[in-house]
Amino acid sequence: GQSLEQPSEVTAVEGAIVQINCTYQTSGFYGLSWYQQHDGGAPTFLSYNALDGLEETGRFSSFLSRSDSYGYLLLQELQMKDSASYFCAVRGTTDSWGKFQFGAGTQVVVTP
Amino acid sequence: SQTIHQWPATLVQPVGSPLSLECTVEGTSNPNLYWYRQAAGRGLQLLFYSVGIGQISSEVPQNLSASRPQDRQFILSSKKLLLSDSGFYLCAWSAPGRVVGELFFGEGSRLTVL
Repeated sequence: GQSLEQPSEVTAVEGAIVQINCTYQTSGFYGLSWYQQHDGGAPTFLSYNALDGLEETGRFSSFLSRSDSYGYLLLQELQMKDSASYFCAVRGTTDSWGKFQFGAGTQVVVTP
Repeated sequence: SQTIHQWPATLVQPVGSPLSLECTVEGTSNPNLYWYRQAAGRGLQLLFYSVGIGQISSEVPQNLSASRPQDRQFILSSKKLLLSDSGFYLCAWSAPGRVVGELFFGEGSRLTVL
């Protein structure tokens, strides 16, 4: 099976940097994805790491270490609109290659 | 471009009543399709996923079922709703046959069972 762990909540001030960690256990692994969800809305895709290393997309970066079964999402220059829930997700392999499993989510609260 | 639609957006149903949520995808062929449920303030629970017509995998044994009558149509059903079925239901699709990490979600259907 698959399981993912991420912190439940992180609070930071505008302009700060926040790192959301995600550790996973899976019998197979294609890559780690990150999604953002604002209250009442649907999740939207942020980034995907299939290989080890850092992927940068504007103010957001995502990192993966396959050997450590670990990844993180880095939010830089925090803005009030970044207040949302952030989910890591893994995609299965072999007989369940189509399956995406999500972590429980991290609520990011940005304060003035 | 690809789009995904699901409906209804909101519904209130009595316990024991049936349910049908519908999702359609446009602009792509043979997508992988998914139904997730999200309880208030919680994560996304995978209910069903389908990699093709007639191929549906169930992740959580419960009183829900899914069907894929057409390539880009995915339906979530129940014959008798339970209180515990309340939640935010999300349909999603991903590109077929490719190892990519992106899921595209519909707008969601908020179900309240009374």
